[in-house]
Amino acid sequence: DARVTQTPRHKVTEMGQEVTMRCQPILGHNTVFWYRQTMMQGLELLAYFRNRAPLDDSGMPKDRFSAEMPDATLATLKIQPSEPRDSAVYFCASGKEGYYNEQFFGPGTRLTVL
Amino acid sequence: AQSVAQPEDQVNVAEGNPLTVKCTYSVSGNPYLFWYVQYPNRGLQFLLKYITGDNLVKGSYGFEAEFNKSQTSFHLKKPSALVSDSALYFCAVRDTGGFKTIFGAGTRLFVKA
Repeated sequence: DARVTQTPRHKVTEMGQEVTMRCQPILGHNTVFWYRQTMMQGLELLAYFRNRAPLDDSGMPKDRFSAEMPDATLATLKIQPSEPRDSAVYFCASGKEGYYNEQFFGPGTRLTVL
Repeated sequence: AQSVAQPEDQVNVAEGNPLTVKCTYSVSGNPYLFWYVQYPNRGLQFLLKYITGDNLVKGSYGFEAEFNKSQTSFHLKKPSALVSDSALYFCAVRDTGGFKTIFGAGTRLFVKA
């Protein structure tokens, strides 16, 4: 049963520290998405990739967030420096290219910045 | 621009009763519509989708959704609710201009025993 995996599942850090979240998309999926979920803002799209190339990262605060896909099996989301307002659940999702294809979500990384 | 609206923050229903979770959409071309469910401390999980064809779409866990083009709606339904259906439900539309999926704000469903 193919699944999207994310590490770590939980992260507590102090303001100013660097945070790196990792995602392994489902093999054969060529689109990858990063979302952030909070009670106040709901589900926000931060960035997405097609065939490892970043297509849109307009949802990310550029000065502190960065997203990359070093290879087809790994996507990373980094926050440097982290701030308390970054506390949220971060989801990675993958899917096959195509308007009619659904996304498969990972279990999320719950980030708390103190 | 594509958008979806879920007019209810919360829906309460008794176990065994039918349930409906509402969704309306706005698209500039052919609509590609989805429903996802999120259980506590989990990622979103795909339920069903409308691409073309029959207006009644059947999905996982006994859920179905009715596509209504004239009312631009895609309501999620289930004939008999279970307590285990209690979760957060998201309606979504595919952005035909790119690769993004536009998600609604979510509707929390409570099913009481």
